[in-house]
Amino acid sequence: GENVEQHPSTLSVQEGDSAVIKCTYSDSASNYFPWYKQELGKRPQLIIDIRSNVGEKKDQRIAVTLNKTAKHFSLHITETQPEDSAVYFCAAWNAGNMLTFGGGTRLMVKP
Amino acid sequence: EAGVTQSPTHLIKTRGQQVTLRCSPISGHTSVYWYQQALGLGLQFLLWYDEGEERNRGNFPPRFSGRQFPNYSSELNVNALELEDSALYLCASSSIPGSFSNQPQHFGDGTRLSIL
Repeated sequence: GENVEQHPSTLSVQEGDSAVIKCTYSDSASNYFPWYKQELGKRPQLIIDIRSNVGEKKDQRIAVTLNKTAKHFSLHITETQPEDSAVYFCAAWNAGNMLTFGGGTRLMVKP
Repeated sequence: EAGVTQSPTHLIKTRGQQVTLRCSPISGHTSVYWYQQALGLGLQFLLWYDEGEERNRGNFPPRFSGRQFPNYSSELNVNALELEDSALYLCASSSIPGSFSNQPQHFGDGTRLSIL
């Protein structure tokens, strides 16, 4: 089955700096890659997603890149703010008809 | 537009008991997914229902089961509760999955289940 690995598990940045979270997946048939942000005690919220026919997608300070050949995708957050502090999860939808999540990255933005 | 709603928000049970969790999807969504999120861990896929049928299940024992009703709401049933079943159970919904790729899943607030 699909295996999604996410790194780093924790990331601490200074406010205003950029943050990058990387994920790799194992199933080359995976074709949809969402990213979720989960604040403490709250529901995971979809922040951006990318499909396998696209290499990059941006939404204001957030961008996601996908390298199908290498089977990895990354989340980039620019000009980080304290409210970006949360746990971020990547996921991959594969031919097995399920969404497999990475282990999560705890992002801490220090003011 | 109302989001995904789950009930109850919290539940305390003892080992061996049975529990039923409920989920109402976003209006217009026909697919419902269930996930388990143990404390400090990631989301593990449990079950996927679409149009009343179970479409897929994750690597969980048969005592985890569920169903989807004609109005697309869903129930997750867990029998013979064990201590390790303590977790946040999240429900998500999406519109009809396309043949090429999945549609975005939107989550509810979850039900926190504690087993004593």
